[in-house]
Amino acid sequence: EIVLTQSPGTLSLSPGERATLSCRASQSVSSNFLAWYQQKPGQAPRLLIYGASIRATGIPDRFSGSGSGTDFTLTISRLEPEDFAVYYCQQYGSSQTFGQGTKLEIK
Amino acid sequence: QVQLQESGPGLVKPSQTLSLTCTVSGGSISSGGYYWSWIRQHPGKGLEWIGYIYYSGSTYYNPSLKSRLTISVDTSKNQFSLKLSSVTAADTAVYYCAGAPYSGYDYNYFDYWGQGTLVTVSS
Repeated sequence: EIVLTQSPGTLSLSPGERATLSCRASQSVSSNFLAWYQQKPGQAPRLLIYGASIRATGIPDRFSGSGSGTDFTLTISRLEPEDFAVYYCQQYGSSQTFGQGTKLEIK
Repeated sequence: QVQLQESGPGLVKPSQTLSLTCTVSGGSISSGGYYWSWIRQHPGKGLEWIGYIYYSGSTYYNPSLKSRLTISVDTSKNQFSLKLSSVTAADTAVYYCAGAPYSGYDYNYFDYWGQGTLVTVSS
């Protein structure tokens, strides 16, 4: 099973700042089959990025994904108030597993 | 726009079977465009994929749950269902149904989600 480790566990930033979230896989993720989700309290996760770097429909361009192999990054270029949430990565190249999440909180 | 809605008991006794149904609207399960999945989230924790079914009846299960798990589909009602047997307190979680686009690969990302339903296992 591929284990995904997200860092940091919590990230404290202010609106307007840049956020960089990391997802590291225990082995290479085939074909860059990696997705990112945003989850707000009491809501279902929302797909942001798939294929490591492809924005899902309706996702603002301040969200971007990058990386390959075992190291992946979600970047939010300028934080809006609605971006403060928990973010999960998911690999779907070998079965499917999720990371444990990064909480992005307002500083 | 495809919408998913979970339904079922919110409280299940230990050792019994947890049963949930997901109703799909705005699209047909029989179209073959999606894998129909169940995912759960333990309170305050991350996400765990449970398994999925294709409209044809083909299933893929999380190996850690496989011995207790049955996922089925009813195309006439545009629904798919989850049964998890011999539950314990460790199965207490929010259960989501979700859709992953059919890709020809065995797995994919999830772009449609239900709102989730909390199932508590307690006597």
